[in-house]
Amino acid sequence: KNEVEQSPQNLTAQEGEFITINCSYSVGISALHWLQQHPGGGIVSLFMLSSGKKKHGRLIATINIQEKHSSLHITASHPRDSAVYICAVSRPGNQFYFGTGTSLTVIP
Amino acid sequence: DAGVIQSPRHEVTEMGQEVTLRCKPISGHDYLFWYRQTMMRGLELLIYFNNNVPIDDSGMPEDRFSAKMPNASFSTLKIQPSEPRDSAVYFCASTLRGRKPQHFGDGTRLSIL
Repeated sequence: KNEVEQSPQNLTAQEGEFITINCSYSVGISALHWLQQHPGGGIVSLFMLSSGKKKHGRLIATINIQEKHSSLHITASHPRDSAVYICAVSRPGNQFYFGTGTSLTVIP
Repeated sequence: DAGVIQSPRHEVTEMGQEVTLRCKPISGHDYLFWYRQTMMRGLELLIYFNNNVPIDDSGMPEDRFSAKMPNASFSTLKIQPSEPRDSAVYFCASTLRGRKPQHFGDGTRLSIL
């Protein structure tokens, strides 16, 4: 069983749509991370959060510690948002567990 | 400020050869992480350092893998001898105090023939 589960695995959306990617985890964590990996392969850390909600531009990340669940929302999606989004959790001692990623394609 | 710098970007070598991957973290960062990414297993943490000291190497697959950080601005990941199943993209990342989002290098795409 994976410690971090993401859904959906693949997502196709029309430009402008509101997008939600979900992440559930089964271990105690010190922080949850959302990463973005573009087709070229580079990885960018979008958010690191341990409670509540964070917003950066059109991206919003939320976490519910009690339910062990996080969501990444993209408002007014754009083709340049097409990427793989990876959820990861870090535990005390800096152990990391990664989800398998959600592949997002935004069609113009 | 320059980001995390990895070299080489691509490496193709024959099975049995020694492979050395290099990483220069962001200046001032005190944590450095090595990851491996494959289609089958996704991203995996191999090892991480804090203040140049290896803290957790439980993700290193076997003794053929070794990592060093001789100073705050340089780390290496070595595979000897290399095998085809080591083919993957290897990422290095660094962060400050381990509580900030990590900054990733562009990765080294390694192919072992």
